[in-house]
Amino acid sequence: QVQLVQSGAEVKKPGASVKVSCKASGYTFTGYYMHWVRQAPGQGLEWMGWINPNSGGTNYAQKFQGRVTMTRDTSISTAYMELSRLRSDDTAVYYCARARIEYSSSGLVDYWGQGTLVTVSS
Amino acid sequence: DIQMTQSPSSLSASVGDRVTITCRASQGISNYLAWYQQKPGKVPKLLIYAASTLQSGVPSRFSGSGSGTDFTLTISSLQPEDVATYYCQKYNSAGTFGQGTKVEIK
Repeated sequence: QVQLVQSGAEVKKPGASVKVSCKASGYTFTGYYMHWVRQAPGQGLEWMGWINPNSGGTNYAQKFQGRVTMTRDTSISTAYMELSRLRSDDTAVYYCARARIEYSSSGLVDYWGQGTLVTVSS
Repeated sequence: DIQMTQSPSSLSASVGDRVTITCRASQGISNYLAWYQQKPGKVPKLLIYAASTLQSGVPSRFSGSGSGTDFTLTISSLQPEDVATYYCQKYNSAGTFGQGTKVEIK
């Protein structure tokens, strides 16, 4: 069965960077784009971007361009999302989510990781 | 960028009521519209895609309609387990979400 297992909670100071991992299993990792979505406390869902695990190509939401980097390691079926120059309003749960359609960059996702809480506080 | 606007932001209805949530796109998106359900403390779950196609395993009391800029999610008979926040999402490029609609039982 498809599983996405994310790394544990992080506490960071403003200005620092955070790197969240998402280990995939139960399907062909390189066949499905991986998206990242975040949710601030008590707020809605915010799409951050995707990575094509096959090519490494990425597409980031304009809001995060210049601060976010999505990478992958195909040898261990793991995707990563790194966010730099953290601010207090980056405090959120960060989710990885698998695209529903094979080889498609569409934002439609069907499987989600459990979420990683990133807290930014001085 | 295309914006997605949901209404209402919250609603309270009785068990068995018919519930309708609206989502409007700032530009036409054909039928590239999905609905997700997020129960308190849980991960979002895909309910409907292509505006009206039910994801496998989703109860038939959920339905979706619309095309272009205006879409609706309908719960034909609200059940206690449907208490959740519902999000629309356009997915033709990027994956912009609406702000969510919180559904409660009266």
